[in-house]
Amino acid sequence: AQSVTQLDSHVSVSEGTPVLLRCNYSSSYSPSLFWYVQHPNKGLQLLLKYTSAATLVKGINGFEAEFKKSETSFHLTKPSAHMSDAAEYFCVVSALFSGGYNKLIFGAGTRLAVHP
Amino acid sequence: ETGVTQSPTHLIKTRGQQVTLRCSSQSGHNTVSWYQQALGQGPQFIFQYYREEENGRGNFPPRFSGLQFPNYSSELNVNALELDDSALYLCASRTGGQDTQYFGPGTRLTVL
Repeated sequence: AQSVTQLDSHVSVSEGTPVLLRCNYSSSYSPSLFWYVQHPNKGLQLLLKYTSAATLVKGINGFEAEFKKSETSFHLTKPSAHMSDAAEYFCVVSALFSGGYNKLIFGAGTRLAVHP
Repeated sequence: ETGVTQSPTHLIKTRGQQVTLRCSSQSGHNTVSWYQQALGQGPQFIFQYYREEENGRGNFPPRFSGLQFPNYSSELNVNALELDDSALYLCASRTGGQDTQYFGPGTRLTVL
C-alpha cells in the first residue's frame, strides 16, 4: 500500500534562509510523487511532480525536491525563503487501483512559517 | 489558476439536511475526483468519476454520492448531513491518461 509521512508538522524559518520540508514515502512500485501547497483559505496548487525521469525535480517559485529511493524520501527544499512562501505544504503519492482509477494520498501537511 | 471552478464558495447547512456541490473541470479533462479536507488535516479521497461513471471510491458512506455530466462537470451530493461533514470539499480534474490532478478552490461547508 502507498503512504506518505511528513516528518514535521510545523517548520519556522527566517526570510532569506533555506527551507527543508521532509517527506518519506512507502510504495510497492515506482511511485508518482508530488508536492502541493495550500495558502490560507485557498485550494491546492501543484508545486512539482516526480515521475522517474530525473531524481532532482524543479518546481515553481524556486522549490525543488530530490527523490532518494534508498532512503524512500522526497524532501522539498528552497535556497531562500520568502514571506509569500508561508503556507501549508502537502507531500502526496499517487496510488493506482484495479479498475484503472488512481487517487492521491496526502501526508498530514507541514505548516511553514516565515519570519522577517 | 488551474481552470477548475467550484460553487458555491461557502455553504452553511443544518444537521440532517442535504447539500449539492458543483465542479467544472479544466478544459480537456475527462476525470474528476472529490476530496474532503477536515480542519487541520490533509485531503481524503471521496470518489472519482470517469466518463460519467464512478470508478473508484474511498472510505465514505453511501450518503456521499456524485454525478458527472457529458461536459465532464460534476456534482457531489451529501444526504443526512452530520456535524463531522463540516470541511473543505475539493474537486480535482485530470485527463484519463495522467495522474497529475489539478484542484479547484474548494467549497467550505459548515454543518450546524
